[in-house]
Amino acid sequence: GQNIDQPTEMTATEGAIVQINCTYQTSGFNGLFWYQQHAGEAPTFLSYNVLDGLEEKGRFSSFLSRSKGYSYLLLKELQMKDSASYLCAVVDSNYQLIWGAGTKLIIKP
Amino acid sequence: GAVVSQHPSWVICKSGTSVKIECRSLDFQATTMFWYRQFPKQSLMLMATSNEGSKATYEQGVEKDKFLINHASLTLSTLTVTSAHPEDSSFYICSARTSGDYNEQFFGPGTRLTVL
Repeated sequence: GQNIDQPTEMTATEGAIVQINCTYQTSGFNGLFWYQQHAGEAPTFLSYNVLDGLEEKGRFSSFLSRSKGYSYLLLKELQMKDSASYLCAVVDSNYQLIWGAGTKLIIKP
Repeated sequence: GAVVSQHPSWVICKSGTSVKIECRSLDFQATTMFWYRQFPKQSLMLMATSNEGSKATYEQGVEKDKFLINHASLTLSTLTVTSAHPEDSSFYICSARTSGDYNEQFFGPGTRLTVL
């Protein structure tokens, strides 16, 4: 079966750095997305990786290792508004999105 | 970026009634639209995939006669929850993608359904 694992919840301090990991086992791979979702709202796009390596976009970076079935989302200079759920999703061989359960990130002052 | 709207943003209805939710792509043509359901503190659950002009493909466990999906044009898909019950109360989110771009999905803002 297809499986995506990410931690259920993480806590970090305002101004710090946090890394949210995602491991996947899917039938085929056509890219990996990270989305941010605030409570009661729809997901918003953060990043897309299809090749190995690090993609940096402002305070957020996303890393992918296809051989290890592994990705992480790195958030720097954390702000209170970063408190949200972060969803990892993989595009499989049928170009369907397989979703992780999401990681709830709690930012403390 | 591409914009997807949903209407209504929230709805409260009585048990046994039907509710229609609209999903529109405002500045692009969406050949494929997706309907998701999300219960509190859970991840998105794909309900069905809808291609313009054809019947929707439902995920296992989703009743097609209860959740009617119509994708009549390249900019509009509708989800009708028929004979709604309290257990149907959830956050319903649609997303859309264009032909030729099989990757990114653009999400609507979601519809909060509460069935009394």
